[in-house]
Amino acid sequence: EAGVAQSPRYKIIEKRQSVAFWCNPISGHATLYWYQQILGQGPKLLIQFQNNGVVDDSQLPKDRFSAERLKGVDSTLKIQPAKLEDSAVYLCASSFLGTGELFFGEGSRLTVL
Amino acid sequence: KQEVTQIPAALSVPEGENLVLNCSFTDSAIYNLQWFRQDPGKGLTSLLLIQSSQREQTSGRLNASLDKSSGRSTLYIAASQPGDSATYLCAVRGNSGNTPLVFGKGTRLSVIA
Repeated sequence: EAGVAQSPRYKIIEKRQSVAFWCNPISGHATLYWYQQILGQGPKLLIQFQNNGVVDDSQLPKDRFSAERLKGVDSTLKIQPAKLEDSAVYLCASSFLGTGELFFGEGSRLTVL
Repeated sequence: KQEVTQIPAALSVPEGENLVLNCSFTDSAIYNLQWFRQDPGKGLTSLLLIQSSQREQTSGRLNASLDKSSGRSTLYIAASQPGDSATYLCAVRGNSGNTPLVFGKGTRLSVIA
């Protein structure tokens, strides 16, 4: 069974530029999460989708971050414009509603210069 | 608001030792608790999932326990190996299968050959 796929693995941009990350969850997983992990910290939830609806986006900086989940499968997370403090690893995870066990992708490492 | 604490932040042990990693959480109304492993530059790998009705889970040399009333979980690693070197993260999910995980900052484990 394929795991959670993310791309790109690495991205370097200058501040005020934009960037987009893509995630494809495990087949059949209705719930998709985007987490931000700053070096030395645990992951922090940015947004949670149930199918293509948003369940929780209370910690998403909506002035610069946006996310969508088209047709309840793939998801894209966008940052525009990026700030230096957005340098982090962006992790996508999915779970099958009912058990709640989370499975993570390899992450996308963003460096903002 | 749920808070998760992991102690110690870092741990170094000689190969072959048995060790315990600790996780505490402030709100005992949880749905489940999950332990993850994270290698440098990688995503999170699920190790064990304990549902709120369970007291422990075992997988190979790993054993995780859960004491909801005291807000604690431990991850026991038997006969440690250099390949166990990684960061171990504890995360708890609120009182339904659809609430997001809240993570601790992790314990960085080094097993010395």
